[in-house]
Amino acid sequence: AQKVTQAQTEISVVEKEDVTLDCVYETRDTTYYLFWYKQPPSGELVFLIRRNSFDEQNEISGRYSWNFQKSTSSFNFTITASQVVDSAVYFCALSEANTDKLIFGTGTRLQVFP
Amino acid sequence: AAGVIQSPRHLIKEKRETATLKCYPIPRHDTVYWYQQGPGQDPQFLISFYEKMQSDKGSIPDRFSAQQFSDYHSELNMSSLELGDSALYFCASSLGPGTSNNEQFFGPGTRLTVL
Repeated sequence: AQKVTQAQTEISVVEKEDVTLDCVYETRDTTYYLFWYKQPPSGELVFLIRRNSFDEQNEISGRYSWNFQKSTSSFNFTITASQVVDSAVYFCALSEANTDKLIFGTGTRLQVFP
Repeated sequence: AAGVIQSPRHLIKEKRETATLKCYPIPRHDTVYWYQQGPGQDPQFLISFYEKMQSDKGSIPDRFSAQQFSDYHSELNMSSLELGDSALYFCASSLGPGTSNNEQFFGPGTRLTVL
């Protein structure tokens, strides 16, 4: 069965700190896709990244970086030098091949204080 | 760039009433998805359509129905509304079904409140 676990319900940091959001997934498929979305207080879902199960290369995009490790079924997200505008709920999601649905984790609420 | 359009953005209904939510996908996108996000919850997949046919189904109540029209817009019809239907309803669109190569672009959501 598909499952995404985000054990951190809420994280609070002070601006300029680095923060890592954890994501652990379960799937029986060998082909699957992992996603991170940001949901700011305004409510929209903002796409951040998609990785397929065959690409374990870590990715960096500005202050954001992602660490995908199949051996531990984890897809962690790090924000370097956090800013107040990073305050949001972050969702990790999983999708198996040939399916339409995204299975979301329960989300991690990140609060960045000035 | 054009994004997914959802209307209305906010909707207030009484219990047992009906509601219709509309979704206009990004131009040339042929696949539409609906998700429901309850307060403090993660989004839950309801249903999807590809080329006007239902392509996948999740935990959508029998009181809800949806369809995709010839111009690819989609409507989610909700009847006999219950208090528990109060949620943020997202529509997403993609070029082609599945998530293999097709990113789902989300709309801003419709916030439904049932009183």
